[in-house]
Formats: sequence, C-alpha cells, structure tokens
Amino acid sequence: AQSVTQLGSHVSVSEGALVLLRCNYSSSVPPYLFWYVQYPNQGLQLLLKYTTGATLVKGINGFEAEFKKSETSFHLTKPSAHMSDAAEYFCAVRSNSGYALNFGKGTSLLVTP
Amino acid sequence: NAGVMQNPRHLVRRRGQEARLRCSPMKGHSHVYWYRQLPEEGLKFMVYLQKENIIDESGMPKERFSAEFPKEGPSILRIQQVVRGDSAAYFCASSPPRGTEAFFGQGTRLTVV
Repeated sequence: AQSVTQLGSHVSVSEGALVLLRCNYSSSVPPYLFWYVQYPNQGLQLLLKYTTGATLVKGINGFEAEFKKSETSFHLTKPSAHMSDAAEYFCAVRSNSGYALNFGKGTSLLVTP
Repeated sequence: NAGVMQNPRHLVRRRGQEARLRCSPMKGHSHVYWYRQLPEEGLKFMVYLQKENIIDESGMPKERFSAEFPKEGPSILRIQQVVRGDSAAYFCASSPPRGTEAFFGQGTRLTVV
C-alpha cells in the first residue's frame, strides 16, 4: 500500500521568496509520485511527476521536485513565488503497477505582497 | 482535444433524492476514475472503470453508490437517497491505456440540503 503525508496544511510566503512544500511517502514498491495544483472551485492540474530516471523533475510554472529514496521524500520547490501561485497543492503516490492515486491532505499556499 | 468534461458543475439535491454525475473522458482515454473530496481533505479514490467494466470499486461506499461506463456515452456516478454526508466535490479523471498520468475534470460539487 502507498500513502502520502504532507507536512503543513498551510504555508505562507512572501512574493519573490522560495516556496517549499513538503511531501513524504510510504510505499513498499517503487512509487510513481505526483504533484497537483488546485485553484478555487477548479479541478486538479498536474504540476509534475516522477516515474523513473532522473530524480530531479521539472514541471510547469517554474516548479520542480526531487525524489529522494533514502528520505522517502518528494518536496516541491519554486525559487521565487508569484501571487498567482496561491492555491492548494496535493502530493500523490501510486505504485508503478497500480492505478489509483493516494493523495495527501493538501497544503494551502498563501503568497503575500 | 477537449479535456475531461464533468457535468453538472454544481448540483443541489434534497435528502432522499438521487444524484447523477456525468464524466466524459478525454478523447482516446478508455480508463476512468472517480474520486471524492471532502472539505479539508485530499481526494479519496472511489472506483476505476474501463469501458463496460468495473475494475476496482474498493473505495465506493457499500450502499447507495454505483458507477458505470457504458460502451457509448459518459461515465455515470449515481448516488441514491442522498444524505448530508454525501456533500462533497466529486472528481473524474481519465487516462489512456498504459498511461502514467491521470487527467482530471473540474469536478461536480454536490450539496445535499
């Protein structure tokens, strides 16, 4: 079984500051890992994913994440926050042979001027 | 290529009524997944369907909930005799065969009054 823990249900950063959203996973098999973003009253949009290969994954809107097997982590970062980054962010995991995504509870990112 | 289409976007039902939620997957996608998002929670897997087949319904409540994905037409999530606790956002996602990524619709927000 796979599960995800997102540390911090709310994160606040200043515009231009580094964004760091934490995600730790648990999986007994090689995981596929995902970050999704959800804007108010919208669906989920894929930011980036890790399946195999390079452990540093670059996504849309300047976001990236690094798969660290030794730390069972897949933290999401962005060097400089924009006001438009304010949204809910979800980390998700599934097995490489599975299909159902297991989501974390989400982290709400607030960007202040 | 249109994205995953869900309708209605908002649905209000009185207790005891039936709710029907529709999902048209992306073109070329034969796999459909339904997830439920409760307030302050991440998304929870409900059911995985392929055309005319339910592959995994382990996340579906045992009673009142059913899903189908007919040969023609959209996938339907049906909730009979709705109760207040069914109020949530219901998301549909689709993927192609052997795809690693699921694409989400904008969701149906069900309110039971």
